[in-house]
Amino acid sequence: DAGVIQSPRHEVTEMGQEVTLRCKPISGHNSLFWYRQTMMRGLELLIYFNNNVPIDDSGMPEDRFSAKMPNASFSTLKIQPSEPRDSAVYFCASSLQPFDEQFFGPGTRLTVL
Amino acid sequence: GESVGLHLPTLSVQEGDNSIINCAYSNSASDYFIWYKQESGKGPQFIIDIRSNMDKRQGQRVTVLLNKTVKHLSLQIAATQPGDSAVYFCAERYSSASKIIFGSGTRLSIRP
Repeated sequence: DAGVIQSPRHEVTEMGQEVTLRCKPISGHNSLFWYRQTMMRGLELLIYFNNNVPIDDSGMPEDRFSAKMPNASFSTLKIQPSEPRDSAVYFCASSLQPFDEQFFGPGTRLTVL
Repeated sequence: GESVGLHLPTLSVQEGDNSIINCAYSNSASDYFIWYKQESGKGPQFIIDIRSNMDKRQGQRVTVLLNKTVKHLSLQIAATQPGDSAVYFCAERYSSASKIIFGSGTRLSIRP
């Protein structure tokens, strides 16, 4: 198995632009998680899905952030409009069930200028 | 408040020695704890976990100890190798129906 796949690996954009991060979970995994990692705040859970349904989005910072999971093999995290404080590494992780071991992707390093 | 933290932000260890990484947690209701390893440029990788009904669990070269009395978790790495260089995170889960909360991480560096 290829593991969790994220794209792009790096994204540099200007303030105000829309950013879309993509994730393909491990085949057969029912749960998908989006995390953000910064030096100041560490690793934060933004949202997680189970069977393509958002279960807990309490970590989503504000309305500028949205996440979707249209099918079992694909999810997106969108930021619109982006701001410099959104600069971080965004990780996607998947697990068989919500509270099983999570497997992380390589992350997307986002820089908003 | 509920938090997961680390005693030492950085740890330098001689190659071949044992490493001990510590973690304090504040939620006495937490029932499940996990250690993750994150190498530079990569996502966190599961190392070992332990449930609150245990006080010790061993894996390959790693041991996790849980002291619920003082709310303390530690990760012991035997015969530390250069490949062990990484940031190590402890994480806790409050119950089987809650999300996992990550600590701030400890960087482990290996001296040759």
